[in-house]
Amino acid sequence: DAKTTQPTSMDCAEGRAANLPCNHSTISGNEYVYWYRQIHSQGPQYIIHGLKNNETNEMASLIITEDRKSSTLILPHATLRDTAVYYCIVRESGDDKIIFGKGTRLHILP
Amino acid sequence: SQTIHQWPATLVQPVGSPLSLECTVEGTSNPNLYWYRQAAGRGLQLLFYSVGIGQISSEVPQNLSASRPQDRQFILSSKKLLLSDSGFYLCAWSEPDLNTLAKNIQYFGAGTRLSVL
Repeated sequence: DAKTTQPTSMDCAEGRAANLPCNHSTISGNEYVYWYRQIHSQGPQYIIHGLKNNETNEMASLIITEDRKSSTLILPHATLRDTAVYYCIVRESGDDKIIFGKGTRLHILP
Repeated sequence: SQTIHQWPATLVQPVGSPLSLECTVEGTSNPNLYWYRQAAGRGLQLLFYSVGIGQISSEVPQNLSASRPQDRQFILSSKKLLLSDSGFYLCAWSEPDLNTLAKNIQYFGAGTRLSVL
């Protein structure tokens, strides 16, 4: 079973920041938080990952709370192409597999 | 650069027929390889993964099987397809875990949409 809880769906206006929350209250000290997204009829795409510190790359920012029990993925200026299902996943560095939950279906509205 | 190829893109097969889906990775050595299935409107389900040639771990008991005859080739098979085998099949790869780096990021192929009729 997935170790994370995410809202089923969210809407965001185009050009605005999309903030996608994820709860992982049972995360252990050596588990990382990963985010992927899946655009309709495509394979999932890696976005970002982090352990304790906030992370930023060309796609998004990841904010992890100090107790690491939740995190937020931020798409700073959402576009219509960001419409997708976003998966939040926790796993250890030694894990060979990813368990995907149901994710959040993000709709970017024009 | 690394690339992953999965084919065919779509497939329509009758119930009871055999299945063979192939996935190959280029530009890397000894990758971890994965097969996932996504039923319509559902999440991703891990079916098999492999950390080396001939090594297959099965996550879900079913009438599917996987094989890894070469380092960068992963095959998903069935002797007799069921209606419930319909879905979107995805192959993925990741680098083997190196030291304590946590960059086990998976890269997915474009998928095969299988319809069993």
